[in-house]
Amino acid sequence: AQSVTQLGSHVSVSEGALVLLRCNYSSSVPPYLFWYVQYPNQGLQLLLKYTTGATLVKGINGFEAEFKKSETSFHLTKPSAHMSDAAEYFCAVTFRGSTLGRLYFGRGTQLTVWP
Amino acid sequence: SQTIHQWPATLVQPVGSPLSLECTVEGTSNPNLYWYRQAAGRGLQLLFYSVGIGQISSEVPQNLSASRPQDRQFILSSKKLLLSDSGFYLCAWSAPTTSGQGNEQFFGPGTRLTVL
Repeated sequence: AQSVTQLGSHVSVSEGALVLLRCNYSSSVPPYLFWYVQYPNQGLQLLLKYTTGATLVKGINGFEAEFKKSETSFHLTKPSAHMSDAAEYFCAVTFRGSTLGRLYFGRGTQLTVWP
Repeated sequence: SQTIHQWPATLVQPVGSPLSLECTVEGTSNPNLYWYRQAAGRGLQLLFYSVGIGQISSEVPQNLSASRPQDRQFILSSKKLLLSDSGFYLCAWSAPTTSGQGNEQFFGPGTRLTVL
């Protein structure tokens, strides 16, 4: 079975500080992993994804994530937070060969950026 | 390029009234389609998904239903709304799983439903 745990429902950082949002997954087969961002009253936007190949994945807006199989983790980072990064972030997992394309989402992490 | 539309953007309905939310996708064929609900503090809940016209799978028992009358149209309905149906409803699509494109989903702008 596939599942995702996002550690910390709320994360606060100062502008210019490192952003680290944690995601651990459970999957009995090789996973595909995703990070989405949601701004207030909007749909979800794909930040980045890992399918195969390089384990360090770069996405939009300066975010990146590293797939660590040994730790079953896919943490999202950004070296320097900007006020515009304040949003809710969702980690999601599916697996290669999924016949339905279903994603399993974490409960989300609300990122607050202080000036 | 592909686009996904949802309407209405916001809706306020009395308890016991019917509901119809519509989602359409452009620029792709035979997509997988999904309805999600976000209630305050409860993350994303998958309600329905569809891999083809007339093929609907339900994730949770509730008083909502979904239909897919055309390849790129997905409708969420209810005969009688409950207070607990309030929330933010999101439609999403993904490429057919046979395409091998990694299953990422693309989301619409959402509908904010308030049931009073």
